[in-house]
Amino acid sequence: AQSVTQLGSHVSVSEGALVLLRCNYSSSVPPYLFWYVQYPNQGLQLLLKYTTGATLVKGINGFEAEFKKSETSFHLTKPSAHMSDAAEYFCAVTKGNNDMRFGAGTRLTVKP
Amino acid sequence: DAEITQSPRHKITETGRQVTLACHQTWNHNNMFWYRQDLGHGLRLIHYSYGVQDTNKGEVSDGYSVSRSNTEDLPLTLESAASSQTSVYFCASSESLAGGEETQYFGPGTRLLVL
Repeated sequence: AQSVTQLGSHVSVSEGALVLLRCNYSSSVPPYLFWYVQYPNQGLQLLLKYTTGATLVKGINGFEAEFKKSETSFHLTKPSAHMSDAAEYFCAVTKGNNDMRFGAGTRLTVKP
Repeated sequence: DAEITQSPRHKITETGRQVTLACHQTWNHNNMFWYRQDLGHGLRLIHYSYGVQDTNKGEVSDGYSVSRSNTEDLPLTLESAASSQTSVYFCASSESLAGGEETQYFGPGTRLLVL
C-alpha cells in the first residue's frame, strides 16, 4: 500500500524567504502525487499535482514541486514566502484507484 | 458555480446517538468520498462511492455507513456515536477519468463533538 511522509509538522519562515515543504512517498507502482493547502476552517484546495510527463510541476500562488523518482520525493517549494501562505499543507498519493493517502500535514507559519 | 457543501458545519451530540452528516455536490461527479481529519493523522478515508447504489469501505470505516441514492448526495451516518469519533469530517468528490488521476474537490468540513 502506498504511504506518505511529510518531514516536519511545523515549518516557520520569514516573509520573502524560501519555502520548502518535504514529502516522501512509498508506492509499489508509479504514483499520482498531489499537494493540497488548507486555510483555517476551510476544506482542502488543490495546489498542484503530478500525473505524467514533466517532473517539475507548477501550481497556484507561485508554488511548484518536483517529482524525483530516484528519491521517492515530491517536495513543495516557493521562492518567496508571503504572509498569505500561512496554512496547513498536505501531500497525497494515489495509484489512480481513488485510494488517496494523505500525509499528516505541515503547518507553515510566515513571520513578518 | 459548481460546489460541494456540507451540513451541519458544527454538531454536538451525545454518546450512543445516531448522527447523519450531509454532503451535496453540484459538480455532477460520479465519485464521492468521506474523510476524517485528526491531528497527526492527516485525512483518513472512511467510505467512498463510484456512483449511485455503489459504496465501499475505506481505511477507517468501523462505526460509519453511507448510502448513495442519487449522484449529488452522500450522507455519512454514525450508527452509535462514540467519543473516538470526535473529529472534523470532510466530504470530497471527483470525476472519473480513464487514467485515474482525478483531483478531489473538498467541502468546507463538519466539526463533530461527541460528549
